[in-house]
Amino acid sequence: GESVGLHLPTLSVQEGDNSIINCAYSNSASDYFIWYKQESGKGPQFIIDIRSNMDKRQGQRVTVLLNKTVKHLSLQIAATQPGDSAVYFCAENMNNQGGKLIFGQGTELSVKP
Amino acid sequence: EPEVTQTPSHQVTQMGQEVILRCVPISNHLYFYWYRQILGQKVEFLVSFYNNEISEKSEIFDDQFSVERPDGSNFTLKIRSTKLEDSAMYFCATLGQPGSPYGYTFGSGTRLTVV
Repeated sequence: GESVGLHLPTLSVQEGDNSIINCAYSNSASDYFIWYKQESGKGPQFIIDIRSNMDKRQGQRVTVLLNKTVKHLSLQIAATQPGDSAVYFCAENMNNQGGKLIFGQGTELSVKP
Repeated sequence: EPEVTQTPSHQVTQMGQEVILRCVPISNHLYFYWYRQILGQKVEFLVSFYNNEISEKSEIFDDQFSVERPDGSNFTLKIRSTKLEDSAMYFCATLGQPGSPYGYTFGSGTRLTVV
């Protein structure tokens, strides 16, 4: 049958503002989560990861929050820059033993200078 | 930083033809994957490969698809008889030890266009 492209959620922010991108994951048994950034025509690029025994992890300008109760993951980007403009995907993995990643739908972040 | 290299970057093929997509994994990585992304959609898992055999495959990965690591370095995805709906970006990903920093590393992808 004919496939229809999905319309990605879009977040538009002003340069210098903080961005929050949300993701609902699907499997309560997932115990490892990764945020990826994907620029046009490129592969997913690792940003930050978190294991299920944590609820917060910080990197350089990025923070990931995990709420296992409601199966929710968020990515916070501080002082957003034009170079942050991209599609952001969350991905989940069970048991982190080399198993597959299950990707979320993605959010397109647009940063206005 | 080590990279996963994929060739070609873009492949155009006639419907019904066979294509082989190639990936050079990071040298000490043990787990290999193929994912695909139809334009504007999310990344979908196709197959995982460990210890020279398929460890898991999705329902997308039917009999038209196969993977191999023929020379111990390159990791290939073959589509035996391409269909229009196979048009997508195909990403190779590799993983060293589970739980290692940076997790799964993705290549830049091969854009497959079936006409």
